[in-house]
Amino acid sequence: GNSVTQMEGPVTLSEEAFLTINCTYTATGYPSLFWYVQYPGEGLQLLLKATKADDKGSNKGFEATYRKETTSFHLEKGSVQVSDSAVYFCALRRGTSYGKLTFGQGTILTVHP
Amino acid sequence: DTEVTQTPKHLVMGMTNKKSLKCEQHMGHRAMYWYKQKAKKPPELMFVYSYEKLSINESVPSRFSPECPNSSLLNLHLHALQPEDSALYLCASSQDPRTTETQYFGPGTRLLVL
Repeated sequence: GNSVTQMEGPVTLSEEAFLTINCTYTATGYPSLFWYVQYPGEGLQLLLKATKADDKGSNKGFEATYRKETTSFHLEKGSVQVSDSAVYFCALRRGTSYGKLTFGQGTILTVHP
Repeated sequence: DTEVTQTPKHLVMGMTNKKSLKCEQHMGHRAMYWYKQKAKKPPELMFVYSYEKLSINESVPSRFSPECPNSSLLNLHLHALQPEDSALYLCASSQDPRTTETQYFGPGTRLLVL
């Protein structure tokens, strides 16, 4: 079956530090990959996505590259801000899964001034 | 515009009450979803509607009853809930469930069952 594994958190960084959140997946075929972010007390927001191998998704300084050879979709940001403190979910979706998103467990990020 | 709206934002109900959650999107999406999210956990899929028909029910107890009156609206009717049903209920929509297009989420309804 499909699965997504995220690095265990929580992750605590100082402002302007480099961020990496690891995400690896197991799926047959060619899933689309997503990063969603959830700020405290809010719903999920799409952060970025990639739909095929070697695609790079980017948004708000965050980037992730779809690596089929390593089945990975790691999230990176060069310089985090306090406002980036949130929970980050990696997810995949296959066309045959009839809409079902498979989520990782989520990584809590806290950024201190 | 990629907005999904949900009402109410917060809801407190007793175990004998009947209440409804409402979700709306005007993006022309033909797939709509209900998720349940407990604290510090990822969302869990409950129901999928495709072209206004229920396509997937992830073995959800019958005290949760979904309804899709039209392509823009999705309701979740609640009756005789248990305290363990307290959670954030998220609605989402996407272009078509048979593709890998993005699901857009609403802000959620935070439900407390007393």
